[in-house]
Amino acid sequence: AQKVTQAQTEISVVEKEDVTLDCVYETRDTTYYLFWYKQPPSGELVFLIRRNSFDEQNEISGRYSWNFQKSTSSFNFTITASQVVDSAVYFCALSYNNAGNMLTFGGGTRLMVKP
Amino acid sequence: EAGVAQSPRYKIIEKRQSVAFWCNPISGHATLYWYQQILGQGPKLLIQFQNNGVVDDSQLPKDRFSAERLKGVDSTLKIQPAKLEDSAVYLCASSSPIDRGKGANDYEQYFGPGTRLTVT
Repeated sequence: AQKVTQAQTEISVVEKEDVTLDCVYETRDTTYYLFWYKQPPSGELVFLIRRNSFDEQNEISGRYSWNFQKSTSSFNFTITASQVVDSAVYFCALSYNNAGNMLTFGGGTRLMVKP
Repeated sequence: EAGVAQSPRYKIIEKRQSVAFWCNPISGHATLYWYQQILGQGPKLLIQFQNNGVVDDSQLPKDRFSAERLKGVDSTLKIQPAKLEDSAVYLCASSSPIDRGKGANDYEQYFGPGTRLTVT
């Protein structure tokens, strides 16, 4: 069975602080994909990143960075120098079906960045 | 490029009534998904279509939920009769192969704004 756990339900930081959102997953598949999505107050899910299980290289995109560690089944997301606009709910997800791209989502982490 | 469109944005009904949601995916996207997102939780996949065929509907409560995508473009999701626990946001997403040389799991999903259903 596939499972994604985001233990932090809510995080509050002050603007310009760095913040890391944790994601731990469970799967029996050897080939899988991990995702992060952002859901701002408007409600629409915004795709941030996709990584496959064979690529453990960390990735940086502007103020965002991702740390994929297969040994601990974790795919953590760090925002550097957070801004108020980063306030949103962030979801980690795992794709599990080789016939498609069906996603299992974690419960989400609500990030509040205060000015 | 226009995004995934959904309507209505909000719907309030009484329990045991029926309701239908509509989704128009991004033009050319072959795959369409419906998700249910209960408040405070992550989205849960209900059904996936590839063109007008169902790929997976294992998590769709078929005694009350139905979905169709007759011409492989627009899709409707229906609940009949609704229960209080159906109150949620219903999200539609669509995807298309990013690189046809890679596997199906390289498809990126684009989400619509959702329909917020309240059952009283």
